[in-house]
Amino acid sequence: DAGITQSPRHKVTETGTPVTLRCHQTENHRYMYWYRQDPGHGLRLIHYSYGVKDTDKGEVSDGYSVSRSKTEDFLLTLESATSSQTSVYFCAISEGVPRYEQYFGPGTRLTVT
Amino acid sequence: QQQVKQSPQSLIVQKGGISIINCAYENTAFDYFPWYQQFPGKGPALLIAIRPDVSEKKEGRFTISFNKSAKQFSLHIMDSQPGDSATYFCAASMVSVSNTGKLIFGQGTTLQVKP
Repeated sequence: DAGITQSPRHKVTETGTPVTLRCHQTENHRYMYWYRQDPGHGLRLIHYSYGVKDTDKGEVSDGYSVSRSKTEDFLLTLESATSSQTSVYFCAISEGVPRYEQYFGPGTRLTVT
Repeated sequence: QQQVKQSPQSLIVQKGGISIINCAYENTAFDYFPWYQQFPGKGPALLIAIRPDVSEKKEGRFTISFNKSAKQFSLHIMDSQPGDSATYFCAASMVSVSNTGKLIFGQGTTLQVKP
């Protein structure tokens, strides 16, 4: 298994509180991604990073921010959590060209009450 | 234009049968089409992928068929086994346009293989 960990694995939080999810890799891959998985929607890209301090928006970035200060860490922050952000969040990593395979972490189940 | 549409949403197949999952896309700039397999409680994992310069790719019991003119691709699982029971996602990317590797995923298909 690719060396990807996510923390926490489960979290319950209240509406309006800030939440930060952490993704840590030991593979030294350049690209890192945050997805959310919801029934009927598959996996949707929230934000991605193509290097330290280099990030960009995905399909569903509203309400989320990210930071990458080190190659191995990619943080996803919900500034003020809402019930619509209840989901399973996956981090993924990729070497990029010429290998496009993305390796996924174990996921974080977030419930916003 | 950026969507990938996947069907069926769920599929039940008898052991030994053929499982078929279909995907369709609109954006002709897509040039990399992977399939991911996800078991409950786990992250997705790459199963097989195809580029549009070939019409078929086979790895063991898993085959991708690709129809460029119809903008469709499908996953065939031959001799389906109970251990194949999982959720399958098709995806698409524009690797020639952007090397960020961003994937657009289909909605997913939950496959159950009955013994």
